Amino acid sequence: DAGVIQSPRHEVTEMGQEVTLRCKPISGHDYLFWYRQTMMRGLELLIYFNNNVPIDDSGMPEDRFSAKMPNASFSTLKIQPSEPRDSAVYFCASSLGRMNTGELFFGEGSRLTVL
Amino acid sequence: SQKIEQNSEALNIQEGKTATLTCNYTNYSPAYLQWYRQDPGRGPVFLLLIRENEKEKRKERLKVTFDTTLKQSLFHITASQPADSATYLCALEDNQGGKLIFGQGTELSVKP
Repeated sequence: DAGVIQSPRHEVTEMGQEVTLRCKPISGHDYLFWYRQTMMRGLELLIYFNNNVPIDDSGMPEDRFSAKMPNASFSTLKIQPSEPRDSAVYFCASSLGRMNTGELFFGEGSRLTVL
Repeated sequence: SQKIEQNSEALNIQEGKTATLTCNYTNYSPAYLQWYRQDPGRGPVFLLLIRENEKEKRKERLKVTFDTTLKQSLFHITASQPADSATYLCALEDNQGGKLIFGQGTELSVKP
């Protein structure tokens, strides 16, 4: 398996623009997570899905952020409009079963810079 | 409030020595704790999971302890190598269940 695949790896955009980050989880995994990592705040959970259904989005910072999982093999995280403080590395991760039964598999991340 | 604390300062050790990293938590009652490794520009990679009823777990040169009374986990790398240089993150499930919360991580540097 190729692992969790994220795109784009790097994105530079201007304030106010829409940003869409994409994730393909490992086939067969039933949980999908979106995390954001910054130097100041570390790795923060934004939202997670179970069987394509959003379970907890309490980490989503504002209404400017939205996430979807239309099917088991694809998820998007959208920021509209983007702001400089959204600059971070965004990670997608997937797992088989809940976290207490095993590991999260992370993608390589999407580094977002908002100017 | 809930907190997970790891050594914020980087840990520098000599090759061959044992590295010990600390993870302390407050206001959590985790049933398990996980450790991950993260290299620059990469995503975290899972290393070990230890449950509350397991005092210690080993995997090759890695050893993790979990003391629910002290609310602390220790992560040891024996016979450390320069290739072990990375940031190490601990993670545990929050009290509401379902969310894996990460500490800030400790950067380890092993000098030859």
